[in-house]
Amino acid sequence: AQSVAQPEDQVNVAEGNPLTVKCTYSVSGNPYLFWYVQYPNRGLQFLLKYITGDNLVKGSYGFEAEFNKSQTSFHLKKPSALVSDSALYFCAVRDFVSGGYNKLIFGAGTRLAVHP
Amino acid sequence: DAGITQSPRYKITETGRQVTLMCHQTWSHSYMFWYRQDLGHGLRLIYYSAAADITDKGEVPDGYVVSRSKTENFPLTLESATRSQTSVYFCASDPGDGTQYFGPGTRLLVL
Repeated sequence: AQSVAQPEDQVNVAEGNPLTVKCTYSVSGNPYLFWYVQYPNRGLQFLLKYITGDNLVKGSYGFEAEFNKSQTSFHLKKPSALVSDSALYFCAVRDFVSGGYNKLIFGAGTRLAVHP
Repeated sequence: DAGITQSPRYKITETGRQVTLMCHQTWSHSYMFWYRQDLGHGLRLIYYSAAADITDKGEVPDGYVVSRSKTENFPLTLESATRSQTSVYFCASDPGDGTQYFGPGTRLLVL
């Protein structure tokens, strides 16, 4: 079965420090991987995706993610965290098993808290 | 350039009442989705649609009905609201490349 896991419920980081939000996946075939961010009382916003090509994907707001096939991981990173990055982050993988409906399987989410 | 909108943004209703949540997108995306978000459960897919008049059940469809007579609209109806349907509901659309774009959500309280 296809799945995605976010092993940390919460990540705390000081402003200015690098941040990493972890995601691992389990899929049959080549994965399509996504990161979304959700600010309080808002919908999810698309950050970036990996489909093929360069393992380092750059996205919105200075975020990037590294696809690692051997470790089945797709960790979200940012070199220097901002207080305004504090939000809920979701990793997702495209579900190909259920047919051509473009469903996404979401992780449980990781709350990022950036402290001044 | 509204993108994807949901209405109402907040709704309070009573058990047993019928409630319809609206979703409208201006992009003409083929795929549309309804999710609910609850603490401890993350995002759960209720229904989805690949095109007008093509809909299918997601993970938690019981008590919900959808329709899609036009590409841009994807209303979600709670036929007889229950307290367990108190939640935040998100609509999303996908142009076909797998990237979903979400609406701002509807916060529903069932008393």
